[in-house]
Amino acid sequence: ETGVTQSPTHLIKTRGQQVTLRCSSQSGHNTVSWYQQALGQGPQFIFQYYREEENGRGNFPPRFSGLQFPNYSSELNVNALELDDSALYLCASSGGTSYEQYFGPGTRLTVT
Amino acid sequence: GESVGLHLPTLSVQEGDNSIINCAYSNSASDYFIWYKQESGKGPQFIIDIRSNMDKRQGQRVTVLLNKTVKHLSLQIAATQPGDSAVYFCAENMSNTGKLIFGQGTTLQVKP
Repeated sequence: ETGVTQSPTHLIKTRGQQVTLRCSSQSGHNTVSWYQQALGQGPQFIFQYYREEENGRGNFPPRFSGLQFPNYSSELNVNALELDDSALYLCASSGGTSYEQYFGPGTRLTVT
Repeated sequence: GESVGLHLPTLSVQEGDNSIINCAYSNSASDYFIWYKQESGKGPQFIIDIRSNMDKRQGQRVTVLLNKTVKHLSLQIAATQPGDSAVYFCAENMSNTGKLIFGQGTTLQVKP
């Protein structure tokens, strides 16, 4: 069984640029959730995708958007990057009737 | 408002002792709770979960206790080992939302 994977591991971007982060869900999981974790804080829910549709969103502006593909992998896109977007971005997958969410290793985004 | 908080930012224990990490939650509608362990540079790792129709659940060396009356959650780790050193987060979920709300985290330090 393959766990949740994310790419890239690290990324450095300049303020105003756009970024795309990728996530492959655990085998058999059809739901992907994205979280932002600032240094020293707990993860904050961005949004969730279930069967290619957004299924809930946290308090993040529209410049945070996402996609889910037929194979249940997912992308997180952030436009017009701001310095405060610097964080660890985590993807978690879940499936079936289980609420258990399993996290990937994250992508460390630094905005300069 | 929605929040999950932890009582202590850092807990230091002697190797072999038992550890207790506490968590207070504020949303009475939450019906599912999870404890995660996060090591430096890694994503959160699922430890144990509990549903609101239970007050205790045991795993391997870990026990989660839920007191819905005072909205309190705790994680007990038996015979704490150096490998248990990490940041521990509690998270709550309301059914049908898929949104996990995390607390700030408690750092567990295990002294040899």
